[in-house]
Amino acid sequence: NAGVTQTPKFQVLKTGQSMTLQCAQDMNHNSMYWYRQDPGMGLRLIYYSASEGTTDKGEVPNGYNVSRLNKREFSLRLESAAPSQTSVYFCASSPTQEMGEAFFGQGTRLTVV
Amino acid sequence: LAKTTQPISMDSYEGQEVNITCSHNNIATNDYITWYQQFPSQGPRFIIQGYKTKVTNEVASLFIPADRKSSTLSLPRVSLSDTAVYYCLVGDSNYQLIWGAGTKLIIKP
Repeated sequence: NAGVTQTPKFQVLKTGQSMTLQCAQDMNHNSMYWYRQDPGMGLRLIYYSASEGTTDKGEVPNGYNVSRLNKREFSLRLESAAPSQTSVYFCASSPTQEMGEAFFGQGTRLTVV
Repeated sequence: LAKTTQPISMDSYEGQEVNITCSHNNIATNDYITWYQQFPSQGPRFIIQGYKTKVTNEVASLFIPADRKSSTLSLPRVSLSDTAVYYCLVGDSNYQLIWGAGTKLIIKP
């Protein structure tokens, strides 16, 4: 049981380049989330998908887009990367959007130079 | 949205009981209190969740007084492997959670 799988684990981008972070969960969860975590800080919500077919902005959505491809997969796209987007990105899933246990992936460490 | 306040850091010794207290003065009626643990270079891991009184599972206990304005995570007999950052979160849905900087717990031999 893999849980939440993120790819890639590490990535270096040049300013202005684009990329997509992939996330897949195998727990049949309805809700999925993308967070970023800067050094010494807590997580900040970028986007979430309460259920398949829906996506909503979180606290820090600017510069990002998401796609809920199906129930399993939720991708995060950076269209034109900026140094301020250097961070660790975590994908998470939960059975529903109501309060409960969320499961996190191992993270993608992104550096924009 | 309820904000939480918790100590920036704590340290203790192997075999001791560790209590981390979190303040959440503006908790709403429907809000749950949830604690996560995070090791370096890993995603957070759920520890425990509660609404009121006391909740216990195989790794921790959560104490919530009647006014629910604070909560205490209790880790019994800690080991070196409990060194991590612990986050206290308050909300009624996962997407509403506000993550502070957490409490960095260091366990010494």
